[in-house]
Amino acid sequence: EPEVTQTPSHQVTQMGQEVILRCVPISNHLYFYWYRQILGQKVEFLVSFYNNEISEKSEIFDDQFSVERPDGSNFTLKIRSTKLEDSAMYFCASSEEGTSGNTIYFGEGSWLTVV
Amino acid sequence: ILNVEQSPQSLHVQEGDSTNFTCSFPSSNFYALHWYRWETAKSPEALFVMTLNGDEKKKGRISATLNTKEGYSYLYIKGSQPEDSATYLCACNTSGTYKYIFGTGTRLKVLA
Repeated sequence: EPEVTQTPSHQVTQMGQEVILRCVPISNHLYFYWYRQILGQKVEFLVSFYNNEISEKSEIFDDQFSVERPDGSNFTLKIRSTKLEDSAMYFCASSEEGTSGNTIYFGEGSWLTVV
Repeated sequence: ILNVEQSPQSLHVQEGDSTNFTCSFPSSNFYALHWYRWETAKSPEALFVMTLNGDEKKKGRISATLNTKEGYSYLYIKGSQPEDSATYLCACNTSGTYKYIFGTGTRLKVLA
């Protein structure tokens, strides 16, 4: 069964460093998402992406964050200058369409630890 | 602001028992609800997508119902097995948005 894959599975980074989390969505999907879960908290929406642009973003997704689909297969999340509070599990997801009746498929997550 | 609540937070049942948990959400502007099953170190697995009031979905021993007028969904597991042990997440959105709001999840442990 097709799946969303994410790399790295775990990254430890120094505060202030840039981090890029990578995702390969399911190949025929058109809508892409990043969510995150800080330990002990709910899964939170960060951003949705369609047709090479952000379609929606949350208040968490400030200027430190950016997303890109550089080559038609990868979908990346960049955090420019990491803060301690960015430590979380980051999930990439994709769906065939953006309508709410569509299943959203999640990757296994990238666990980011900022020290 | 859409707030999604799940109860109970955790649950232990004996193998063979049937169980159910609840996802509550504000009924105004509701658009869709997703149920996921999430095992540690794996990706959340999509179980059901529900949109219409009165929807009932079934997948093997797991089923779900949706009441959009009163703002809740039930997930039922019939004859629980140890492999059903996982966190069950629900997520909802309102019309006109891609943003799904997740509940805290219900952690189910099925004891052999």
